[in-house]
Amino acid sequence: GAVVSQHPSRVICKSGTSVKIECRSLDFQATTMFWYRQFPKKSLMLMATSNEGSKATYEQGVEKDKFLINHASLTLSTLTVTSAHPEDSSFYICSATVGREDYNEQFFGPGTRLTVL
Amino acid sequence: GQNIDQPTEMTATEGAIVQINCTYQTSGFNGLFWYQQHAGEAPTFLSYNVLDGLEEKGRFSSFLSRSKGYSYLLLKELQMKDSASYLCAVQDSNYQLIWGAGTKLIIKP
Repeated sequence: GAVVSQHPSRVICKSGTSVKIECRSLDFQATTMFWYRQFPKKSLMLMATSNEGSKATYEQGVEKDKFLINHASLTLSTLTVTSAHPEDSSFYICSATVGREDYNEQFFGPGTRLTVL
Repeated sequence: GQNIDQPTEMTATEGAIVQINCTYQTSGFNGLFWYQQHAGEAPTFLSYNVLDGLEEKGRFSSFLSRSKGYSYLLLKELQMKDSASYLCAVQDSNYQLIWGAGTKLIIKP
C-alpha cells in the first residue's frame, strides 16, 4: 500500500511554456502532499506543502506565481511550472504522508525530470 | 540555523560492512529518518529513530544518539544493488523534514 504516482516522468519543453506535473496517491487519501525539487548531487529542497481544499504553503524563496499548486482532491495534487526557463530544469518529486503508530512516513512519487530548452 | 551533515561519498566492497554517519543541528527534534535513493529515482524509506539506541532491520541498522546529535546507518553484507545515495532527514519541532545532501555509496566487486 501507500503508492504515490507522478506524471509525466520526463518532460522536455521550450523556454516560456508551462508544464503541469500530477501527483496522485493511488491507494490512500492524502490531505497533505509535499513538492520537492532536487538538483544533481544536492539535497531534496522542499518547495511547498499542498493542502487539500486550501492554498498551498510555500517555502521562503519559492515564487508562488511561478510554481502553481492545486490540491483539488484527496488523491491529486498538481504543480504547474509557469513560463519555464532553463534554470527551472530539475528533478521534481512529490510525497504524501501516512500516519504510523509513532511517526509519519513519507512516500515519494517516482519524480519528474524537467528539462527546459 | 538548521544543518544536517553527512559524507558526500563512500566506497565499500561487496560483502563488507559500511557505516554512514549523520550529524544534525536542528530547531527541535521529532525523529530521524534514513532514506535510500537510486539514481534518477525517488527516495524510499529505510528507517526511523526517535529514541536513543540501535534499530535493526535485516541487513540495515540505524543508530541514534540525541545528546550527540548523531546517527549512523549500518549496512551489512553489502550487495551491488546497495549502490545508491543514502539520505538522512530530521523532523524538526514543526514536524518538517530537514534533509541532508545524501551520501553516495559506491559498491565495488
